[in-house]
Amino acid sequence: NAGVTQTPKFRVLKTGQSMTLLCAQDMNHEYMYWYRQDPGMGLRLIHYSVGEGTTAKGEVPDGYNVSRLKKQNFLLGLESAAPSQTSVYFCASRPQGVFNTIYFGEGSWLTVV
Amino acid sequence: AQSVTQLGSHVSVSEGALVLLRCNYSSSVPPYLFWYVQYPNQGLQLLLKYTSAATLVKGINGFEAEFKKSETSFHLTKPSAHMSDAAEYFCAVNPSAGGTSYGKLTFGQGTILTVHP
Repeated sequence: NAGVTQTPKFRVLKTGQSMTLLCAQDMNHEYMYWYRQDPGMGLRLIHYSVGEGTTAKGEVPDGYNVSRLKKQNFLLGLESAAPSQTSVYFCASRPQGVFNTIYFGEGSWLTVV
Repeated sequence: AQSVTQLGSHVSVSEGALVLLRCNYSSSVPPYLFWYVQYPNQGLQLLLKYTSAATLVKGINGFEAEFKKSETSFHLTKPSAHMSDAAEYFCAVNPSAGGTSYGKLTFGQGTILTVHP
């Protein structure tokens, strides 16, 4: 059982470069989320999706774009990376209507220099 | 709307001492509450969760937490700290019902636990 898989796990970017983080889940979940984790700030929601073809902004969406073209995949894009986007990114998913369980990926460590 | 406050960004205890990590929440609907642990350079691991059954919840590694509605608290405790408990701990809340929240999980700021020999 793969669960929630994030790629890549580690990446170093130069300021201004673009990249995409991929989150894939094999549990047929409707809801998917992208969080970023920064020291002293816990995890903050960037964007989320409640189904294929839908996306919505979370708490800290600026500088990121997302897409959910396929139900199993939720992509997080950085069009022009900035040092402030150095962070650990976590993807999560859960079934629709189920709020006592959530499944997290292993995290992606991104450094922007 | 929902929010979580973890009191104390750093907690230091001696090995064998009681561990108490504090979490207070606010939620406009009955909440589900979670504690996660993160070891250095690793992902999140679920310690325990409250989902409206028993108010005293037991988790992995000897941790437990008690849901107190009157105090809007969900503090994490362990009777005797072990060196291997050194990690960062996160409290989180999401509504027990859907509505427009879509199950979004809100996290506290995290508490780093240090255990001294």
